[in-house]
Amino acid sequence: AQSVTQPDIHITVSEGASLELRCNYSYGATPYLFWYVQSPGQGLQLLLKYFSGDTLVQGIKGFEAEFKRSQSSFNLRKPSVHWSDAAEYFCAVGVPMDSNYQLIWGAGTKLIIKP
Amino acid sequence: ETGVTQTPRHLVMGMTNKKSLKCEQHLGHNAMYWYKQSAKKPLELMFVYNFKEQTENNSVPSRFSPECPNSSHLFLHLHTLQPEDSALYLCASSQEGQGSSYEQYFGPGTRLTVT
Repeated sequence: AQSVTQPDIHITVSEGASLELRCNYSYGATPYLFWYVQSPGQGLQLLLKYFSGDTLVQGIKGFEAEFKRSQSSFNLRKPSVHWSDAAEYFCAVGVPMDSNYQLIWGAGTKLIIKP
Repeated sequence: ETGVTQTPRHLVMGMTNKKSLKCEQHLGHNAMYWYKQSAKKPLELMFVYNFKEQTENNSVPSRFSPECPNSSHLFLHLHTLQPEDSALYLCASSQEGQGSSYEQYFGPGTRLTVT
């Protein structure tokens, strides 16, 4: 069965430090992969996605992610975090189901920024 | 209005009440989704509508009843809920089929508390 694992429930980093959020997936075929961000009291916003091609994808707000097939990973990175990046981050894998393409979600990683 | 809107943003209801959640998308998409988001758990897909037809019902209890009168509007009718149904209910939309980017766009959610 398809699954997504985000091993870190919380991560705390200092403002200006680099960030890496981990995501591992289980899926038999080439996956479609997504990272979403959710600020408090808000819905989810797409940060970036990987479908094919270059395994390093750039997203909004200075984020990037790298697809590593051999490790079944799609880790999210940012070279220097800002206080406004404090939010919850969700990794998802897209799988075809009947007439729809559905997302299988990780449990999320809450990012805390230290001043 | 742009994007995906949801009303109400907050709802408190007793276990014997009947209420409805409303979602409207202004993106011209043909698929709409209801998700349940509980603390420390992955997003749970509840229902999917594709071209107004329900294509997924992920074993959701009958006390939740969806309605999709057209491709822009989605409702979730609630009756005789349980306290464990308290959660954030998120609506999303996407464009399925030819030309799909497989991205889902989310509303801000309705925070439901069942007393």
